[in-house]
Amino acid sequence: EVQLLESGGGLVQPGGSLRLSCAASGFTFPFYAMSWVRQAPGKGLEWVSAISGSGGTTHYADSVKGRFTISRDNSKNSLYLQMDSLRAEDTAVYYCARDLTIYRMLNSFDYWGLGTLVTVSS
Amino acid sequence: EIVLTQSPDTLSLSPGERATLSCRASQSVSSNYLAWYQQKPGQAPRLLIHGASNRATGIPDRFSGSGSGTDFTLTISRLEPEDVAVYYCQEYGGSPPGNTFGQGTKLEIK
Repeated sequence: EVQLLESGGGLVQPGGSLRLSCAASGFTFPFYAMSWVRQAPGKGLEWVSAISGSGGTTHYADSVKGRFTISRDNSKNSLYLQMDSLRAEDTAVYYCARDLTIYRMLNSFDYWGLGTLVTVSS
Repeated sequence: EIVLTQSPDTLSLSPGERATLSCRASQSVSSNYLAWYQQKPGQAPRLLIHGASNRATGIPDRFSGSGSGTDFTLTISRLEPEDVAVYYCQEYGGSPPGNTFGQGTKLEIK
């Protein structure tokens, strides 16, 4: 059974940093590109970042480019999102999501975690 | 960058009725890389349709997707109370590389 479990969310002050993790199980992790998608309270979905199965290719939304860094450790079946220079508008539930098909990035997402809440506030 | 506009914002229908949700793109979606998701309150999104018209694994055939180019439709036949949710469309083939979601359509059951 495919499972994705996010962790690392919490309350952080503006300008601060936070590192999110996503533990994956139930599938061959290196075969799949992964993404982070966020949802501000009461708002819609916003794609944040994607990383290829090997970790060699990454993409970012303009809203986070230069501030967030996506990475993965295939030996630990884990996905990460390092978030620096956080702003109030980064407050959201952050989901990790698996690409639908293997060996292809920027796909639809067939499995999602439950999400972890990040609150940026003083 | 492609912008997706969904309509209507809210749809209120009775059980057994047919729901038609629209997603319009600001430019043509390449290779029909268009997906639909269902998000129930307090839950993560669930993939319903990918490639504009392909049902995801385990999705009932009451859900169907159609369209091409800039106009796409999600149809839910024979509405059930459990279909109460917000539905999002997503484009994933555009330039620059990335994903774009529509603003969502809220489906209410009378």
